[in-house]
Amino acid sequence: DGGITQSPKYLFRKEGQNVTLSCEQNLNHDAMYWYRQDPGQGLRLIYYSQIVNDFQKGDIAEGYSVSREKKESFPLTVTSAQKNPTAFYLCASSPRAGTILASGANVLTFGAGSRLTVL
Amino acid sequence: AQSVAQPEDQVNVAEGNPLTVKCTYSVSGNPYLFWYVQYPNRGLQFLLKYITGDNLVKGSYGFEAEFNKSQTSFHLKKPSALVSDSALYFCAVRDMESSGSARQLTFGSGTQLTVLP
Repeated sequence: DGGITQSPKYLFRKEGQNVTLSCEQNLNHDAMYWYRQDPGQGLRLIYYSQIVNDFQKGDIAEGYSVSREKKESFPLTVTSAQKNPTAFYLCASSPRAGTILASGANVLTFGAGSRLTVL
Repeated sequence: AQSVAQPEDQVNVAEGNPLTVKCTYSVSGNPYLFWYVQYPNRGLQFLLKYITGDNLVKGSYGFEAEFNKSQTSFHLKKPSALVSDSALYFCAVRDMESSGSARQLTFGSGTQLTVLP
């Protein structure tokens, strides 16, 4: 089955530690995204990548880092600089059509999420 | 700038009754509009989208949404609610004319729908 796999599903971290969340897709999608979800705040974009070896900051990139070395993979590192990292993290992907307008209409496919708790 | 508002944090409806989950948006140009649903501890699932054309859009699981340009709204509706429809619903918007990092979807804060048996 095609889809997005996020791991781990649950993660506990001590303050001051970096952690990396995995996101793998087998949909052959060009674009990948990381969102953070907090109760009552909806989804906020952390980073996104439209092509391999390229990524852009979203609305709340501070304290996070990403890489896009392979089309299938877009790992997110939550660094010790992130002041309030406890949240539900969602990875998503979408095909990147040839035109700007068409790509904007693409539907996002989401993974099942990773819940990070800082102790 | 683009934004979207879901004015109700919680909507309760009896099974078999019609349901409406409200969404209003703000864009400088024309919008792409989406509805997603999230079940507990899961990712979001796509329900429907408006790109252009008919104002009434039909989607998955019997849901539909009506695009109203004059009221800048895109309310989600279903004629007869099921208990299994209970979930968190998100509206999202993208301005067709946006560029750079703003070319990504902006999500609303979500509305928790509870269908009572």
